[in-house]
Amino acid sequence: DIQVTQSPSSLLASLGERVTITCQTSQSISNNLNWYQQKPGQAPMLLIYYATSLQTGMPSRFSGQYSGRSFTLTITSLEPEDIANYFCLQHYSAPWTFGGGTKLELK
Amino acid sequence: EVQLVESGGGLVQPGRSLKLSCAASGFTFSNYYMAWVRQAPTKGLEWVASITNSGGSTYYRDSVKGRFTISRDNAKSTLYLQMDSLRSEDTATYYCTRSGADWGQGVMVTVSS
Repeated sequence: DIQVTQSPSSLLASLGERVTITCQTSQSISNNLNWYQQKPGQAPMLLIYYATSLQTGMPSRFSGQYSGRSFTLTITSLEPEDIANYFCLQHYSAPWTFGGGTKLELK
Repeated sequence: EVQLVESGGGLVQPGRSLKLSCAASGFTFSNYYMAWVRQAPTKGLEWVASITNSGGSTYYRDSVKGRFTISRDNAKSTLYLQMDSLRSEDTATYYCTRSGADWGQGVMVTVSS
C-alpha cells in the first residue's frame, strides 16, 4: 500500500498569513493526488485535483504544487472561512490512502 | 448539480448486517468510478471500497474484505455497500463519493451492543 505522510498535523496561523501543508508519498504516484477541506459536521470538499488543478468554484488563494513524491497545498492569504481540516488523498492505486489530516486554527 | 444521498445507516449489534445505499443524480452514473469512504468519530478519512463504472471490478481495504460488498445498479443510479459481520471498529460516518470529486453528506453507522 502507498503510505501518505501529511504534515503538520495541526497549524496555528493568523489571518492574511501564507499557509503551507505537505503530503509525502511512499512511492511515486505521478500527479494522482487530491486536496480536500473538511469543516466539522460536513463532508469533505475537493479543493485541488491532480495535484495542481483548482476545483471549479474554489478560491484562487488555494493552490497545489508537487515535485516527485512531495505535494504541497498553499493558502496564499488565510481567510476566516479557511479554518478547517485539510486532507490529501492519493488515488494512483488501490487502496486509496489519505494523509492523516491537518487541523488549521487561528492564532 | 451532482447529488449523492446516502441512507441505511443506524445502530446495529456486533455481528449483524447493514446495507447502505447512495442515490446519485445530476450526472451519468454509469460513467463513473464510485467509492465508499468512512470516518470514525474525531478521526481521519479511510477508504473502504471502490467499484468501476460497469461494476466489473471491485476493490476493498483489507479490514473489510470478506465482510463488505460494494455493488451498483446503473439503471437506478444507486451505489450500495452491504456490510456483514459488523465490528465495533466499523463505527463511522460512511460517505459515498464520485471518483473522489463529489461527496454525499454521509450516513452514520454505529456498531454497539
